[in-house]
Amino acid sequence: NAGVTQTPKFRVLKTGQSMTLLCAQDMNHEYMYWYRQDPGMGLRLIHYSVGEGTTAKGEVPDGYNVSRLKKQNFLLGLESAAPSQTSVYFCASWEGGAGELFFGEGSRLTVL
Amino acid sequence: KQEVTQIPAALSVPEGENLVLNCSFTDSAIYNLQWFRQDPGKGLTSLLLIQSSQREQTSGRLNASLDKSSGRSTLYIAASQPGDSATYLCAVRWNDMRFGAGTRLTVKP
Repeated sequence: NAGVTQTPKFRVLKTGQSMTLLCAQDMNHEYMYWYRQDPGMGLRLIHYSVGEGTTAKGEVPDGYNVSRLKKQNFLLGLESAAPSQTSVYFCASWEGGAGELFFGEGSRLTVL
Repeated sequence: KQEVTQIPAALSVPEGENLVLNCSFTDSAIYNLQWFRQDPGKGLTSLLLIQSSQREQTSGRLNASLDKSSGRSTLYIAASQPGDSATYLCAVRWNDMRFGAGTRLTVKP
């Protein structure tokens, strides 16, 4: 009963480095989301996907890229990390309709 | 602009007290509203989900209400316990889901 799993859970990067966060869900949900959470600002939507092979921009997409090659996976990439991207990143999935939004445990990223 | 606001940002109450957390939103054309709990350093756990056609949902000591016309939802916690201490987040689904900044609740023994 894994639900939504994020890897890695912690990562420290230097400015300019690249990395990818992986989100995997085992509930066969169509919709997947990447949020970032910063103190005092709540969760802000970075990118989302409404199905395999689709992606769309959210509120704060700059500096991030995403891919949804398989229905169960949603990848978030940082091509050239900046200190402003230090945050906790959450992945979520939704079956659509009247269903709940389910979250992963989060990935804490620090960019030095 | 579709926005979600939660006031107060922090709340401290003695154990056993009944309390209400508030959530307001700017556009009444919502699909649903969901309340979450977040413990420090953890992910978000869903507490209650209210569809746009519903007025309230209950789970144990928790009761969430929804008034779309006024753009408000409340989360009522009965007989609060120290274990209820956490941040409570309100999220509203329009085309996508938007979150309030949360209310940090501390229940003192």
